[in-house]
Amino acid sequence: DAGVTQSPTHLIKTRGQQVTLRCSPKSGHDTVSWYQQALGQGPQFIFQYYEEEERQRGNFPDRFSGHQFPNYSSELNVNALLLGDSALYLCASSLVRIGVNTEAFFGQGTRLTVV
Amino acid sequence: QQQVKQSPQSLIVQKGGISIINCAYENTAFDYFPWYQQFPGKGPALLIAIRPDVSEKKEGRFTISFNKSAKQFSLHIMDSQPGDSATYFCAAREGYQTGANNLFFGTGTRLTVIP
Repeated sequence: DAGVTQSPTHLIKTRGQQVTLRCSPKSGHDTVSWYQQALGQGPQFIFQYYEEEERQRGNFPDRFSGHQFPNYSSELNVNALLLGDSALYLCASSLVRIGVNTEAFFGQGTRLTVV
Repeated sequence: QQQVKQSPQSLIVQKGGISIINCAYENTAFDYFPWYQQFPGKGPALLIAIRPDVSEKKEGRFTISFNKSAKQFSLHIMDSQPGDSATYFCAAREGYQTGANNLFFGTGTRLTVIP
């Protein structure tokens, strides 16, 4: 059973560019959350997707957007990249319903470097 | 505002010793408290988790102690091994009743176990 897979593993972009990161959830999971982990810090919640819609959002600007596809995979898009966007971007999948809340499984992350 | 506060930032323990990491929170709506282990270049992996209706949970060498009145919880690693050397994150989530699933992470503790 494949766990959460993310691509690419590493990425270098220039300030001002746009980037797209991809995530495939663990089999059986239908909810995908994205987190940003700056060096030496804990992950910070960006947003969560369920049924192809953004269900929750953390304190991140509109430059961060996402999408979920019918097969539950997801993309994270960041526009107008800033140096401060350099971080490890983590995708987590789970199965979430009221009263049923499974563990969140994380992918290995995408290391984004903005130069 | 850091919703979950974690200490210490780093910890060095002799092989066979006990590692203790502490966390505190303010939001009484949190209803799930997991601990994650993260190795360099990898995503966080769930280690052990507890819900606030119990005061302690043990799995192998890992124990969570939970003090609801003090809004504190801690991770104890017994018989620490060099292979336990990693960064540990406590986290909290509110959502069992709402379907929300975003995790609030502490800032992490870098554990080094000396042979």
